[in-house]
Amino acid sequence: AQSVAQPEDQVNVAEGNPLTVKCTYSVSGNPYLFWYVQYPNRGLQFLLKYITGDNLVKGSYGFEAEFNKSQTSFHLKKPSALVSDSALYFCAVGGLTGGGNKLTFGTGTQLKVEL
Amino acid sequence: GAVVSQHPSWVICKSGTSVKIECRSLDFQATTMFWYRQFPKQSLMLMATSNEGSKATYEQGVEKDKFLINHASLTLSTLTVTSAHPEDSSFYICSAALAGGPEQFFGPGTRLTVL
Repeated sequence: AQSVAQPEDQVNVAEGNPLTVKCTYSVSGNPYLFWYVQYPNRGLQFLLKYITGDNLVKGSYGFEAEFNKSQTSFHLKKPSALVSDSALYFCAVGGLTGGGNKLTFGTGTQLKVEL
Repeated sequence: GAVVSQHPSWVICKSGTSVKIECRSLDFQATTMFWYRQFPKQSLMLMATSNEGSKATYEQGVEKDKFLINHASLTLSTLTVTSAHPEDSSFYICSAALAGGPEQFFGPGTRLTVL
């Protein structure tokens, strides 16, 4: 079985400061890892993914994430936060299992960027 | 590319009626489509996985007779909530995946309110 943990329900950061949203995972075999952002009453917007290759993944809107196999983590980062980054962020893990390419989502982290 | 649409974006219905939600992949053929349900301020919970031309695979605890899924073509899947009740009120999100790939492309979601 695969699982994802997002230990923080909410992260507060001042605009211009760096932000980190944490994610750890558990999966058999090689993981496929994703970050999505959700604004109120909207679907999920894709930010970035790790399938294979470089451990540091760069994505949309200046976000990046580092795949750390030894720590089974895939933390989302941004060097300088914007107020418009305030949203709900989901980490997800997937893989090509016998049941198809299912994704398992974390519980989400609400990011609040303040002036 | 990889755009997924959902219709309607929101629907209000009376208790006991049935509601159909459509999920379309607009610019690609989706071998597999997924249906999720999201309660306020909670994560996405996978309801079922559907493959074109075959019966959907439902997650444990999801009533297949209540949530009817049809995946008649490679670009269209439908979710019908039969005899809807207020507890079925939720945000329903679909996603679509390409053959052989782990990535899912998400629709904008449908807000269902049952009075």
